[in-house]
Amino acid sequence: DTGVSQNPRHKITKRGQNVTFRCDPISEHNRLYWYRQTLGQGPEFLTYFQNEAQLEKSRLLSDRFSAERPKGSFSTLEIQRTEQGDSAMYLCASSLGKFFGPGTRLTVL
Amino acid sequence: GESVGLHLPTLSVQEGDNSIINCAYSNSASDYFIWYKQESGKGPQFIIDIRSNMDKRQGQRVTVLLNKTVKHLSLQIAATQPGDSAVYFCAENSFYNQGGKLIFGQGTELSVKP
Repeated sequence: DTGVSQNPRHKITKRGQNVTFRCDPISEHNRLYWYRQTLGQGPEFLTYFQNEAQLEKSRLLSDRFSAERPKGSFSTLEIQRTEQGDSAMYLCASSLGKFFGPGTRLTVL
Repeated sequence: GESVGLHLPTLSVQEGDNSIINCAYSNSASDYFIWYKQESGKGPQFIIDIRSNMDKRQGQRVTVLLNKTVKHLSLQIAATQPGDSAVYFCAENSFYNQGGKLIFGQGTELSVKP
């Protein structure tokens, strides 16, 4: 257990539905990162926060994706109008990236 | 574009042998590297890191070697155990990347035969 928690651990949804994931990082870490990982590949950077400010977004993060960290503590990642190509493991990391959460596996039917 | 990649996608070793997993990177500005272990269904687990001002760093049963001349990174696991079976990723970060995001390679699957 790294101290980073993610919920839910698994999510199955139908195409077109919206989903939201939550990440609770290690409390004293200012930086929080979201990555996406597909089968057989390494994680790909999506976005990161310094406290409540979202400082960088990957071009992988389409307009259907939005992330927030309202109080500089937990973060949410929302995907609107899900597509089958969104099926992946969504990972949250605390600090530079030493501490990853267990991930949320999304399956879009 | 810049990338971090692994030479071998799979590696099979006998229990008790030493394992060497390799990684090549192309961004000469990279100055921080991490090795991760990832078991099925879990998030990446930090193993060891190294900064570019070092060429070797040792942990418990693991050693990371960095060769900046040829932009190569390796992870050595001594006395490999069945519990070491997993996918191993290297990741790099650049000082000039103020965000601190990591760029990951594809991964090498290590299989340990008892």
